Amino acid sequence: DTTVKQNPRYKLARVGKPVNLICSQTMNHDTMYWYQKKPNQAPKLLLFYYDKILNREADTFEKFQSSRPNNSFCSLYIGSAGLEYSAMYLCASSRERDWGISAETLYFGSGTRLTVL
Amino acid sequence: GDSVTQTEGQVALSEEDFLTIHCNYSASGYPTLFWYVQYPGEGPQLLFRASRDKEKGSSRGFEATYDKGTTSFHLRKASVQESDSAVYYCALSDTEGADRLTFGKGTQLIIQP
Repeated sequence: DTTVKQNPRYKLARVGKPVNLICSQTMNHDTMYWYQKKPNQAPKLLLFYYDKILNREADTFEKFQSSRPNNSFCSLYIGSAGLEYSAMYLCASSRERDWGISAETLYFGSGTRLTVL
Repeated sequence: GDSVTQTEGQVALSEEDFLTIHCNYSASGYPTLFWYVQYPGEGPQLLFRASRDKEKGSSRGFEATYDKGTTSFHLRKASVQESDSAVYYCALSDTEGADRLTFGKGTQLIIQP
């Protein structure tokens, strides 16, 4: 089963309020990612977990937080939502790369569409 | 930093037409190149990938050849079908550490019956 599940499918949030998005995978993958997708823009990597180690991209470092309580689950947390956070959020996972072998496939969920009002 | 450029934002074709979606990249080292496809209501899924110069990736009648000389990985299909309507993303993976993907903006392919 190569499924990554994201909940909820749609989320409405108020400006200044926190937002928590959930992702799960049952493939025992080592790495889980969060991407942000806005219209007419490329999907943008926000952060990823390799096992228990969180790596956040430099330009979004202070805007997003994440937790991974176990191998299967990963959350994306926004402490205070702004209008600019309205976007599709895509979660993905991949297994550990075998060094010397080409990059592994990412498996994506269907996304959570966040609208901030 | 790494970047991927997809020239076409939207392509509209009729069934059995020939498809080309252009992808050019900029990266240091020797990245792996990917095409992902996203159908309505779903997340992107891997179409195929290539890791070495002149390597051809292919799947479902689509193909692309890794060209390091022109830094390109153009997607082609000889005869498109209505079911090919989707968004197509070109992407590259950095050569170290975890598999960060850098995506292009995507190309919306619309096939009219």
